[in-house]
Amino acid sequence: DGGITQSPKYLFRKEGQNVTLSCEQNLNHDAMYWYRQDPGQGLRLIYYSQIVNDFQKGDIAEGYSVSREKKESFPLTVTSAQKNPTAFYLCASSIAAASGQPQHFGDGTRLSIL
Amino acid sequence: GQQVMQIPQYQHVQEGEDFTTYCNSSTTLSNIQWYKQRPGGHPVFLIQLVKSGEVKKQKRLTFQFGEAKKNSSLHITATQTTDVGTYFCAGSNSGYALNFGKGTSLLVTP
Repeated sequence: DGGITQSPKYLFRKEGQNVTLSCEQNLNHDAMYWYRQDPGQGLRLIYYSQIVNDFQKGDIAEGYSVSREKKESFPLTVTSAQKNPTAFYLCASSIAAASGQPQHFGDGTRLSIL
Repeated sequence: GQQVMQIPQYQHVQEGEDFTTYCNSSTTLSNIQWYKQRPGGHPVFLIQLVKSGEVKKQKRLTFQFGEAKKNSSLHITATQTTDVGTYFCAGSNSGYALNFGKGTSLLVTP
């Protein structure tokens, strides 16, 4: 089945550590996105990528980094500079980054601070 | 920047009652999408509206896009317990990113 796979499902971070969240898609989509979801806050865009080797900052990129070395992979690193990383992280993809393309979401990763 | 406001934040209905959530943008949108997120799940795309004044139906769900393309609504007729979840609107004004509303969480009691 085609889809988006996020791992791990749950992740715990110690203070001062960087952690990387995995996102893989086999939908052959060009565009990929990372969102952060907090209770009552909806989805806020962290980074997006329209094509391999290219990515753009979203609304809340500070404290995060990404890479897009392969079409199917878009990992997100939560750095120690992100002071409030506890949240639900969602990865999504769409056929293209053009306006109006439906986004397909993974099951998410819940990140917590130890 | 573009903001998408969604109301109400929560709605609790008895099974069989109707439900409506409203979405308003500070700027004109090129299109608007609606997503549903079940408790513990991820958002799932429901529909996209593009034309001014457009109305689309999916069984008991009716979606509308305003004439000025700055507002939209989702109406559910005769809710069922399977309708429980959070409904998000997401607007785009020809850019590459979607701006999501904060969502309306629907609780349906039998």
